[in-house]
Amino acid sequence: DIQLTQSPSSLSASVGDSITITCQASQHINDKLNWYQQKPGKAPKLLIYDASDLETGVPSRFSGSGSGTSFSLRISGLQPEDIATYYCQQFGSLPTFGQGTRLEIK
Amino acid sequence: QVQLQESGPGLVRPSETLSLICTVSGDSMSNYYWSWIRQSPGKGLEWIGYVYYSGYTNYNPSLKSRVTISVDTAKNQFSLTLKSVTAADTAVYYCARHYYGSGQRFDYWGQGTLVTVSS
Repeated sequence: DIQLTQSPSSLSASVGDSITITCQASQHINDKLNWYQQKPGKAPKLLIYDASDLETGVPSRFSGSGSGTSFSLRISGLQPEDIATYYCQQFGSLPTFGQGTRLEIK
Repeated sequence: QVQLQESGPGLVRPSETLSLICTVSGDSMSNYYWSWIRQSPGKGLEWIGYVYYSGYTNYNPSLKSRVTISVDTAKNQFSLTLKSVTAADTAVYYCARHYYGSGQRFDYWGQGTLVTVSS
């Protein structure tokens, strides 16, 4: 299995701030990395695919970057509705997910 | 707009078989892969396996001996069976469309259904 390690596991930021979540893969996966947002009681929602492509309908304040083993998700200009847990997920081999990053608004 | 809906028992006895169905609406199942994913507090999000509309399957090796996923395109449904369940199989189970093109991603998800394994 390819392991994905996210950091931080949680963070708190203010409305309008920019934040970055990182995801480290245990093996090289090219750009086969997706990001999801999950709100309490809801299913995960696809935000970014292939490391940097924005899913249709997702606000442009979300962006992704990286390749190989190191990836990041950036939210520029936090909004209250961004309170959620964020997961990375790889398709370099059989799918696995990171452990999640819980985002709180101060 | 593609929609997925899971259905099945919310309570399963230990050692018995968990069975869930996912009903797909808004699009044909043809030319897509369809996955089951579960989420538990202890193990986070875990991919269980997928089925192609043709019936081809691929499973997570950690569950492969107990899992069967099948598809019924005439009913626009695919199903999950998990044998010999234990408390460790208690989780929210999601079905998802597994886009498999230039890249791969889970682009549409059901709302999830909680399955508790308990006597």
